[in-house]
Amino acid sequence: DIQLTQSPSFLSASVGDRVTITCRASQGISSHLAWYQEKPGKAPKLLIYAASTLQSGVPSRFSGSGSGTEFTLTISSLQPEDFATYYCLQLYTYPLTFGGGTKVEIK
Amino acid sequence: QLQLQESGPGLVKPSETLSLTCSVSGGSISSSSYRWGWFRQSPGKGLEWIGNIHYSGSIYYNLSLEGRVTISLDTSKNQFSLKLSSVTAADTAVYYCARRKEVAGGWFEPWGQGTLVTVAS
Repeated sequence: DIQLTQSPSFLSASVGDRVTITCRASQGISSHLAWYQEKPGKAPKLLIYAASTLQSGVPSRFSGSGSGTEFTLTISSLQPEDFATYYCLQLYTYPLTFGGGTKVEIK
Repeated sequence: QLQLQESGPGLVKPSETLSLTCSVSGGSISSSSYRWGWFRQSPGKGLEWIGNIHYSGSIYYNLSLEGRVTISLDTSKNQFSLKLSSVTAADTAVYYCARRKEVAGGWFEPWGQGTLVTVAS
């Protein structure tokens, strides 16, 4: 199985900060990676697919990059509604696997 | 606009079979462009992919669930289902269904709102 290691697992930041979350795959997955935002009691929300394509309706402050084994999700200017947990998901091969999550909290 | 809605018992006894249905509205589950998947999230833990199905009959399961999983489609009702047998407390989780688009690696979107299933006697 492909392991996805997210870092950090916890992040404390202020409104307006630039935030970067990393997802490392145990083997190459091309660009077959998606990023999700999850808030308590809500379903995961797709932010980025194919490593760097912004999902329709998602604010442009979110961006994704990377290919192969290393990927990043960047929030250029953190907004109050961005405090949530973020997960990466590899869709390169079965079983599909998630990273362990990054919880972004208010500093 | 496509919507998915999970339904099923919120409480299942240990050793019994968990059965959930995902009803799809605003689109057809018979479309060749999509797969239909199940996920879960145990309390305080991360997300786990359970499996997905294509209307052609192609199915993939997470083998970590040790053969306890069955996913099926009912095209007449435009819904798909999850059965998880021999459940234990470790299967207590919020269960989600979602649609997978298979282009450029693919993605799952939209998702259902999720349904909490508790395994307890």
